[in-house]
Amino acid sequence: NAGVTQTPKFQVLKTGQSMTLQCAQDMNHNSMYWYRQDPGMGLRLIYYSASEGTTDKGEVPNGYNVSRLNKREFSLRLESAAPSQTSVYFCASSEAFPPGGNSPLHFGNGTRLTVT
Amino acid sequence: GQQLNQSPQSMFIQEGEDVSMNCTSSSIFNTWLWYKQDPGEGPVLLIALYKAGELTSNGRLTAQFGITRKDSFLNISASIPSDVGIYFCAGRPSYGGSQGNLIFGKGTKLSVKP
Repeated sequence: NAGVTQTPKFQVLKTGQSMTLQCAQDMNHNSMYWYRQDPGMGLRLIYYSASEGTTDKGEVPNGYNVSRLNKREFSLRLESAAPSQTSVYFCASSEAFPPGGNSPLHFGNGTRLTVT
Repeated sequence: GQQLNQSPQSMFIQEGEDVSMNCTSSSIFNTWLWYKQDPGEGPVLLIALYKAGELTSNGRLTAQFGITRKDSFLNISASIPSDVGIYFCAGRPSYGGSQGNLIFGKGTKLSVKP
């Protein structure tokens, strides 16, 4: 059971470069999420997709765009990377929205991004 | 935005010791959750709480939904080496300001005493 798969696992970018982080889930979940994790800051929601065909901003959306490509896939794009976007990015999914104990978040193993 | 205050930020454990951590908010929450993150992995749900005063166990872990609905506690009894990691509280505020999404605390990092 793969669960939530994120690619790549590691990435180094120069300031101004662009890239797309890929995420796919094989659990037939309706909702998907992108979080960033910074030391001492916990997990902060960037964007989410409550259902296929919808996307909404989370707590820290500036500098990012997302695409819910289909029910399985939810990508995160950095158009012009900045050092402040150095972080660990986690994709998550849940069977339904909102997430909680009955519809828990299932996380991928993260993408470690460094912007120099 | 809404923040959760999680404490302690870090602690060292010795095998066999009991561990306690807590999470507080300035507003009322209607759901509290506790997650654990192992190194190099994403967080995994440990316990979910839905009602004020609720006490729920998962093996050696026990969590409580505070009576005021503004706090939650996690206890680990008789800790073992594999308990090391980062523990996150998460909750959903009752006022709906997070659009239904969970708000996460900053984490409590458990390490083994040298």
